[in-house]
Amino acid sequence: ETGVTQSPTHLIKTRGQQVTLRCSSQSGHNTVSWYQQALGQGPQFIFQYYREEENGRGNFPPRFSGLQFPNYSSELNVNALELDDSALYLCASSYTGLVRGTQYFGPGTRLLVL
Amino acid sequence: KQEVTQIPAALSVPEGENLVLNCSFTDSAIYNLQWFRQDPGKGLTSLLLIQSSQREQTSGRLNASLDKSSGRSTLYIAASQPGDSATYLCAVTPYSSASKIIFGSGTRLSIRP
Repeated sequence: ETGVTQSPTHLIKTRGQQVTLRCSSQSGHNTVSWYQQALGQGPQFIFQYYREEENGRGNFPPRFSGLQFPNYSSELNVNALELDDSALYLCASSYTGLVRGTQYFGPGTRLLVL
Repeated sequence: KQEVTQIPAALSVPEGENLVLNCSFTDSAIYNLQWFRQDPGKGLTSLLLIQSSQREQTSGRLNASLDKSSGRSTLYIAASQPGDSATYLCAVTPYSSASKIIFGSGTRLSIRP
């Protein structure tokens, strides 16, 4: 059984550019959540996808968007990057049979916006 | 609005000491509370999950308690080791939105050999 994987591990972009981050869920998991973790802070919930539909969203602007594919892999897209978007982006997968809140986290993608 | 607070923000203790990390939350309407460990620049590892109906959970040298009525949880680490050095995050799953977890800012723990 493979765990949650994310790509790339690190990324540098400039302000105004667009970025796509990828996540491969743990085998058998049908739910994926994305979090943004600024330096020295706890992760902040961006959104969750369940069976390819958005299933909850945090306080992030529409330029943060996502996709979940039939194989339950996922993408996080961020348009018009701002300096404050620099953070560690974490993906977490789960499935409906688990205890609420049980999520398996990937290692994250470190994004730096210059 | 649910808020999770962790005190202290950082803690340094000598190896072998027992220690307690604190977490407080403002809304008691939660499904559960979790403690996570995060190593520098890495993802999160769940250590303990306490259901709202439970008072505590134990795993090895770790013991977490939950007092939902007062909005408090503690993580007790016995006989600390240098390998315990990491950031410890407390998080709750709220009734209002079970799709998300709300995290505190963490306690950065350093165990001195």
